[in-house]
Amino acid sequence: ETGVTQSPTHLIKTRGQQVTLRCSSQSGHNTVSWYQQALGQGPQFIFQYYREEENGRGNFPPRFSGLQFPNYSSELNVNALELDDSALYLCASSSALGRGGYTFGSGTRLTVV
Amino acid sequence: AQRVTQPEKLLSVFKGAPVELKCNYSYSGSPELFWYVQYSRQRLQLLLRHISRESIKGFTADLNKGETSFHLKKPFAQEEDSAMYYCATGAGSYQLTFGKGTKLSVIP
Repeated sequence: ETGVTQSPTHLIKTRGQQVTLRCSSQSGHNTVSWYQQALGQGPQFIFQYYREEENGRGNFPPRFSGLQFPNYSSELNVNALELDDSALYLCASSSALGRGGYTFGSGTRLTVV
Repeated sequence: AQRVTQPEKLLSVFKGAPVELKCNYSYSGSPELFWYVQYSRQRLQLLLRHISRESIKGFTADLNKGETSFHLKKPFAQEEDSAMYYCATGAGSYQLTFGKGTKLSVIP
């Protein structure tokens, strides 16, 4: 049984650019959530996907968007990057909308300069 | 809105001493409460959840609805317990709201 894998592990982008982060869910999981973790803070919920549909969204602007594919892998896209977008982005997968608890990936460290 | 407060950024205890990591939450309704742990250079992982009422690695946590607290406790700290601990609440689709975390340091 594989865990949650995220790519890339590190990324540096320039303000105003666009970025795509990828996540491969744990086998058998149909729910994926994305979190942003700024330095010294706890993870903050961005959005959740369940069976390829967005199933909830946190307090993030529309330039944060996502996709979930039929194999339950997922992407997080961020347009018009701002300096404050610099953070660790965590993907977490689960079965049944998270009732069994989430399995987290190691994250992608995004730096916006 | 849901909110989780972990009042201590850092907690240092001696090996063998009792540990209590505090967590208070605000949520209208019946929340689910969780503790997640992140050991050095490892990913965030679920430690325990209140509905299962399990004891994991000697840790327990009791949900106190009157005090809106979900403190994490262990009677005798071990060096391997040193880690970052996050309290989280969620409901419905389990969109988790995390606290800012407490770094536990166990002194040998």
